[in-house]
Amino acid sequence: TQLLEQSPQFLSIQEGENLTVYCNSSSVFSSLQWYRQEPGEGPVLLVTVVTGGEVKKLKRLTFQFGDARKDSSLHITAAQPGDTGLYLCAGAHPGETSGSRLTFGEGTQLTVNP
Amino acid sequence: DTGVSQNPRHKITKRGQNVTFRCDPISEHNRLYWYRQTLGQGPEFLTYFQNEAQLEKSRLLSDRFSAERPKGSFSTLEIQRTEQGDSAMYLCASSPLTGQGFHNEQFFGPGTRLTVL
Repeated sequence: TQLLEQSPQFLSIQEGENLTVYCNSSSVFSSLQWYRQEPGEGPVLLVTVVTGGEVKKLKRLTFQFGDARKDSSLHITAAQPGDTGLYLCAGAHPGETSGSRLTFGEGTQLTVNP
Repeated sequence: DTGVSQNPRHKITKRGQNVTFRCDPISEHNRLYWYRQTLGQGPEFLTYFQNEAQLEKSRLLSDRFSAERPKGSFSTLEIQRTEQGDSAMYLCASSPLTGQGFHNEQFFGPGTRLTVL
């Protein structure tokens, strides 16, 4: 079973602080996605990383895929209350670039206090 | 709104009853997925369709669960003889065959929250 472990599970910070969320696995993934989910809603896709070592930026969010494609990180600069939510990483199974299931981590619940 | 839609949004039922959920994917998306999410966990894969063909099923999908996508458009997920352990959020996602779908980028609906009393 290919598992994704996210840390920390819970994070409560003040507005303006920086934070990093980690997503780790012992398995290789062909691609990895980050989603954000609000209570009572479905996950919303933020970014997909595909190449080992790849870095993508989305405004104040920076995503990195590990060189071996087993881990990823999400860094948020100057967090704002609107960043509050459940952040999920999800990996696509290796060798199946299209059409396969996603394996999700348990998520990191981020709360940004004003 | 051209996103994935799911109905109903909430369902409360008594143990032993049957329930059916519907998912309408993004219109040009060939692939459709069902996931289940319990409180404090990430979504878990249940099953996947490409057009009308059900190509993969998780062992989580017991014989009380059945999913269909008869015309390759909308899909239904039925749970027979519901149990309290079936209480969860049931999420549907869709993905195109090419382009963003090449890397399994999936677009989720708002989910159906099932409560079994």
